[in-house]
Amino acid sequence: GAVVSQHPSWVICKSGTSVKIECRSLDFQATTMFWYRQFPKQSLMLMATSNEGSKATYEQGVEKDKFLINHASLTLSTLTVTSAHPEDSSFYICSAREDAGGGTEAFFGQGTRLTVV
Amino acid sequence: AQTVTQSQPEMSVQEAETVTLSCTYDTSESDYYLFWYKQPPSRQMILVIRQEAYKQQNATENRFSVNFQKAAKSFSLKISDSQLGDAAMYFCAYYYNFNKFYFGSGTKLNVKP
Repeated sequence: GAVVSQHPSWVICKSGTSVKIECRSLDFQATTMFWYRQFPKQSLMLMATSNEGSKATYEQGVEKDKFLINHASLTLSTLTVTSAHPEDSSFYICSAREDAGGGTEAFFGQGTRLTVV
Repeated sequence: AQTVTQSQPEMSVQEAETVTLSCTYDTSESDYYLFWYKQPPSRQMILVIRQEAYKQQNATENRFSVNFQKAAKSFSLKISDSQLGDAAMYFCAYYYNFNKFYFGSGTKLNVKP
């Protein structure tokens, strides 16, 4: 199956700094990628939909200035958590929808555990 | 609005036995896709099985099968011959028309040896 690589797998940063998380589709093109946040023992909460070459679409309640998304190519989307605070600590997951084959399946990265201290 | 409901927060099954996880959804569309994803402790999301709404035949993948009841908007997952490696969180998901995926709240499956 298609592979999505997310990097880093885990990161610890100081409060007030910014952290960038990368999501790459390794063997397919993905016009659309999704960013999720998952709290312990909870479901995936969609944060935003990332579209190559255009602005991301953010879900209600998600601060677009805090969670910057860039989808500069058909294989790479990045999520930057700006001025991180301890409440931003969470598990972040990306997924990519394969353009070929009708795009009816999403492939997930392995996730990034962010800890802000 | 589309919603996906998993009413069983946690379930347990004996190894080699069969278990069924429930999922219901709400939609006004007629053509959509349904999925079951597995999330083991590693937290990597793994596709278990998918169902196209326009297909009447229930999808099957080895030990995993679904009972898709379109009129009732029900999409349950049956795991046969349960194995220890099946222990994980299971999420039901709905997808329509190049839109976003909607996930249920998840069911934690425990497999007892």
